[in-house]
Amino acid sequence: DGGITQSPKYLFRKEGQNVTLSCEQNLNHDAMYWYRQDPGQGLRLIYYSQIVNDFQKGDIAEGYSVSREKKESFPLTVTSAQKNPTAFYLCASSILEGQPQHFGDGTRLSIL
Amino acid sequence: GENVEQHPSTLSVQEGDSAVIKCTYSDSASNYFPWYKQELGKRPQLIIDIRSNVGEKKDQRIAVTLNKTAKHFSLHITETQPEDSAVYFCAASKGFQKLVFGTGTRLLVSP
Repeated sequence: DGGITQSPKYLFRKEGQNVTLSCEQNLNHDAMYWYRQDPGQGLRLIYYSQIVNDFQKGDIAEGYSVSREKKESFPLTVTSAQKNPTAFYLCASSILEGQPQHFGDGTRLSIL
Repeated sequence: GENVEQHPSTLSVQEGDSAVIKCTYSDSASNYFPWYKQELGKRPQLIIDIRSNVGEKKDQRIAVTLNKTAKHFSLHITETQPEDSAVYFCAASKGFQKLVFGTGTRLLVSP
């Protein structure tokens, strides 16, 4: 959907480095989500947020952090504590939790 | 919490055949069931969804059926075409809780 923008499209991380993935939406959606997808695998939920200044851990939150300071923005930081960060990261949003989710184009993260 | 199982993990059909993908869910209170299509390297896209107050929904060659008693729902694609080749994900949620996704089915349609 044109309403959700993820950047960058490709990202490389050095050992011990934190990197931040951007997700912006102009759909006026309250809920936003971050998923991790490994090759040939399904979607695993990292973090989600129902409202500004509030967020909850998903199934695989260790080694990741998020913030929700603005309704339209939900950046994800992959910290050095995440030892296997290589994956395809997808951001999504929905009007409310449990409603149809719209996805961004994803960021592919690799280790240098 | 909710658990969604999806079968088969891979499905190969000939062009023009029908394809059926099945999902089961564990929480009888779940009431929203979307299906997403993901082409290689691209974003998942919502192709059809159904709510628990209906048993079937159709959109051209795609249909979804829901059996609340058995707690399963299925995606049916008729007259398959090579461009239907993709990974399909089912999901379930209740009320305003987060979606729980199945593990995906890789559909390959051969000309």
